[in-house]
Amino acid sequence: AQSVTQPDIHITVSEGASLELRCNYSYGATPYLFWYVQSPGQGLQLLLKYFSGDTLVQGIKGFEAEFKRSQSSFNLRKPSVHWSDAAEYFCAVRYGGSQGNLIFGKGTKLSVKP
Amino acid sequence: GAVVSQHPSRVICKSGTSVKIECRSLDFQATTMFWYRQFPKQSLMLMATSNEGSKATYEQGVEKDKFLINHASLTLSTLTVTSAHPEDSSFYICSARMAGVDEQYFGPGTRLTVT
Repeated sequence: AQSVTQPDIHITVSEGASLELRCNYSYGATPYLFWYVQSPGQGLQLLLKYFSGDTLVQGIKGFEAEFKRSQSSFNLRKPSVHWSDAAEYFCAVRYGGSQGNLIFGKGTKLSVKP
Repeated sequence: GAVVSQHPSRVICKSGTSVKIECRSLDFQATTMFWYRQFPKQSLMLMATSNEGSKATYEQGVEKDKFLINHASLTLSTLTVTSAHPEDSSFYICSARMAGVDEQYFGPGTRLTVT
């Protein structure tokens, strides 16, 4: 079955430190990949997405992600974390083009130490 | 732009009663709306997809008679949980997609507690 794995349930980093959130997907066909952020009381906000082309994609809020087909991964990175980045982060994959459904990982909660 | 709201944000109801959750696209016309359910520390699970004016398409394992979805206009979809039970307690999230745009916009979610 198609699935998305986010191996880290909770990560704590110090403000100003770099961040990498891991995401692996299970299926071999070309996926559409997404990262969303969810803050308390807020809807999921799209950070970035990958459909094709350059495997390093830039998103909002200083985030970037790299698609590595050989590792079936789409890890999210940020060089310097801000306290406002504390939130829940979800990786998602979609197959079947624009009509496919999103499949979400379980999320990684990010805490930021001052 | 592309804001989706949900109402209510929290609701508590008694077992056996029905509760309705609204999902609205505030500044765009949503040809397709999605309803998800999220359990604590779990991923969002798609419950159903609805196109305006059509019957919703439910995912496998989702009871269509229990979770009634109506998408009567291009800006409003409703999810009604009928004869609610404590196991229906969860976080329900809707999203909306407009025609020709390959992105879903998510609402803030509704926390349902059935006592």
